[in-house]
Amino acid sequence: EDQVTQSPEALRLQEGESSSLNCSYTVSGLRGLFWYRQDPGKGPEFLFTLYSAGEEKEKERLKATLTKKESFLHITAPKPEDSATYLCAVQARRNDYKLSFGAGTTVTVRA
Amino acid sequence: SQTIHQWPATLVQPVGSPLSLECTVEGTSNPNLYWYRQAAGRGLQLLFYSVGIGQISSEVPQNLSASRPQDRQFILSSKKLLLSDSGFYLCAWRTDSYNSPLHFGNGTRLTVT
Repeated sequence: EDQVTQSPEALRLQEGESSSLNCSYTVSGLRGLFWYRQDPGKGPEFLFTLYSAGEEKEKERLKATLTKKESFLHITAPKPEDSATYLCAVQARRNDYKLSFGAGTTVTVRA
Repeated sequence: SQTIHQWPATLVQPVGSPLSLECTVEGTSNPNLYWYRQAAGRGLQLLFYSVGIGQISSEVPQNLSASRPQDRQFILSSKKLLLSDSGFYLCAWRTDSYNSPLHFGNGTRLTVT
């Protein structure tokens, strides 16, 4: 069974205070790791896909990195509009169709 | 560009009543289609996925069912709702490339009373 654990559950930041979110995973043969952003009452919005250890992707103030056991989402100098729940998901090589999601980290950025 | 429509946005139904949630995708052909349920503080739970018309795979046996009557239409149904069916239901699509990301609709908030 694939497992995805995200930490912390909640993160409160001051505007400009950089931080990182963690996604630890256990999967037999990783095909891809996905990061999503979810605003309250909305569906998740796709951010990044990472395929292999050492890979990095960036988008504005967000940077995602991947190792063999975990992924980090770094938020640099966050703004209030970065407040959201960030979800991590993995897809195993043995199943081309199923993504397994973590419970998410809810980030609140105060002005 | 591709878009996904999901409705209704909110729904309040009594226990024992039927359910039908609909999802359609525009701007793509032969998408893989998914139904997820999200409970507060928990990850998204995969309920059903479909790789083609009439092809449905169930991940969690329960009193829900899914159908795909057309290429870009996905329906989630129940004959009799339970209190435990309350939650946030999300439809998603992806291309048939195995490493493509899921793209989600804006969800249906279902409350069973």
